[in-house]
Amino acid sequence: NAGVTQTPKFRILKIGQSMTLQCTQDMNHNYMYWYRQDPGMGLKLIYYSVGAGITDKGEVPNGYNVSRSTTEDFPLRLELAAPSQTSVYFCASSSTGGEGLRGYTFGSGTRLTVV
Amino acid sequence: QQPVQSPQAVILREGEDAVINCSSSKALYSVHWYRQKHGEAPVFLMILLKGGEQKGHEKISASFNEKKQQSSLYLTASQLSYSGTYFCGTAYNTDKLIFGTGTRLQVFP
Repeated sequence: NAGVTQTPKFRILKIGQSMTLQCTQDMNHNYMYWYRQDPGMGLKLIYYSVGAGITDKGEVPNGYNVSRSTTEDFPLRLELAAPSQTSVYFCASSSTGGEGLRGYTFGSGTRLTVV
Repeated sequence: QQPVQSPQAVILREGEDAVINCSSSKALYSVHWYRQKHGEAPVFLMILLKGGEQKGHEKISASFNEKKQQSSLYLTASQLSYSGTYFCGTAYNTDKLIFGTGTRLQVFP
């Protein structure tokens, strides 16, 4: 099993450009998440999804958009990139049981620099 | 609301013990613990549910005090491989985690 796959691993964007960060999982998890991690800091939730067709905002959604058309894929769109969006972006997925959320499986991350 | 972790950093010699705390101002449904090595993704360690249960994973264990809205991670007889940043993730319901501020742990020979 590949787990959670993120592409690209690295990207440099110019201010005002747009891009899509791809995330796909092969574990049939319903729950998927996008977090950003600034240098030396913790993880901030951007958007999340509890199933195909359902998305919701997290702690820091401004400047981002998401969609969830399939269980496997959860792309993150950056419109009009700004230097403040320079960060490492992690996608994660989880299943649920009677006890609630199970442990997250994280992708390897996308390191984005906006210049 | 972001949970607060303490201490911010810990330096240990191999074989020493450490405790990392995670506190929330809101009632918790569950607490997760993760370890992140430099330049890598966080890795799941364990989950604790309401009820004050304690779980163990090799020499790493944790407790969850539901009434105090706190969780503690215990690392005993630390090894070099324990070095990294530890994050608690708190769930206030069943759909997402909010991560804490992180605790950097360094273990030296």
